[in-house]
Amino acid sequence: GAVVSQHPSRVICKSGTSVKIECRSLDFQATTMFWYRQFPKQSLMLMATSNEGSKATYEQGVEKDKFLINHASLTLSTLTVTSAHPEDSSFYICSAAVGTSEAFFGQGTRLTVV
Amino acid sequence: AQSVTQLGSHVSVSEGALVLLRCNYSSSVPPYLFWYVQYPNQGLQLLLKYTSAATLVKGINGFEAEFKKSETSFHLTKPSAHMSDAAEYFCAVSEGYSSASKIIFGSGTRLSIRP
Repeated sequence: GAVVSQHPSRVICKSGTSVKIECRSLDFQATTMFWYRQFPKQSLMLMATSNEGSKATYEQGVEKDKFLINHASLTLSTLTVTSAHPEDSSFYICSAAVGTSEAFFGQGTRLTVV
Repeated sequence: AQSVTQLGSHVSVSEGALVLLRCNYSSSVPPYLFWYVQYPNQGLQLLLKYTSAATLVKGINGFEAEFKKSETSFHLTKPSAHMSDAAEYFCAVSEGYSSASKIIFGSGTRLSIRP
């Protein structure tokens, strides 16, 4: 099956710094990538949808200037959490799809802001 | 907007017993429906997917789900629970008419297996 890889799997950063999370489709070209956030013991909430070569579409309530998404190639999307604060600590998961086929999920990134 | 409701945030069954995890969707038109499993600190694994081809969908690890339009339900079942089935399970619906459309997740059900 298709493989989506996220890096890093865990990251700890200081409050006020920025952190970048990568999402790569390893064996297919993803025209669409999705970014989700999951707080402890809660469900996944969609943050944004990104299509290769165009600006991401953010869900209501998600600050686009804080969560920068770049989908510069068909195999890579990045999520940058800018000026991170402890409340941004969460599990971030990406998924990737090509055309109208199924979306495949990465293994997630645990972000802890101290 | 599409949504799914999972009844029961926590289900506990004995090993070997029937597993039933409930999910209801809210839509007049059958969308794509999914069940995902998540093990601690890991991503999501697709168990099965409804795409209107068949109302009874068989997935991995012995799980299956039946789409019932009259009840707007898509409950997940497994005849005999294994200890390895302990995990978080999410029912989800596709926002659009493509399984690659954005996916809306239910609140999740934590499945515990008693020895």
